[in-house]
Amino acid sequence: AQSVAQPEDQVNVAEGNPLTVKCTYSVSGNPYLFWYVQYPNRGLQFLLKYITGDNLVKGSYGFEAEFNKSQTSFHLKKPSALVSDSALYFCAVRAAGGSYIPTFGRGTSLIVHP
Amino acid sequence: KAGVTQTPRYLIKTRGQQVTLSCSPISGHRSVSWYQQTPGQGLQFLFEYFSETQRNKGNFPGRFSGRQFSNSRSEMNVSTLELGDSALYLCASSGGEYNEQFFGPGTRLTVL
Repeated sequence: AQSVAQPEDQVNVAEGNPLTVKCTYSVSGNPYLFWYVQYPNRGLQFLLKYITGDNLVKGSYGFEAEFNKSQTSFHLKKPSALVSDSALYFCAVRAAGGSYIPTFGRGTSLIVHP
Repeated sequence: KAGVTQTPRYLIKTRGQQVTLSCSPISGHRSVSWYQQTPGQGLQFLFEYFSETQRNKGNFPGRFSGRQFSNSRSEMNVSTLELGDSALYLCASSGGEYNEQFFGPGTRLTVL
């Protein structure tokens, strides 16, 4: 079985400050990890993925994520938040060699204040 | 490359009716998955089609069905609509080595 937890329903950050959106996962074997962003009334947009290799993954729009195997975490980060980053963020996981269907977290609403 | 397209973008139906939603995947992608998104339940997996065969299925009643055509386009059908079926229905296509999913803009279904 595979699962994802996004422990914060909402994250508030001031524009220009660094942001972190947390994600922890549980999977049998090696994980494939993904982050998506969703703007109101839109589909999910792919941000980045971790498959193997370097623990720091860089993605779209200046986002990056850090894979930590010992803590089974894959937190999304950005050095300097923009108001336009305000959106709903989803973490997803699937097992390498396992089901092709990822399991999604419940989402974290990021609000960046001017 | 063109992205995933979904039609229609918005639908209003009444209880008891049926509805068909359409999804065209990214060119070359053979897998199409469908999700239901509601504020209370989050993102819930409906089913996945690969090469015209249902490969994975979520935990939804038989009123929800789908199919995939030889060109990988997929349709989802919901019969005997209920108020609780009001949701954003998302289609995702995937392909390549790691099968990451790319989503369409969704179809907003409102059941009155």
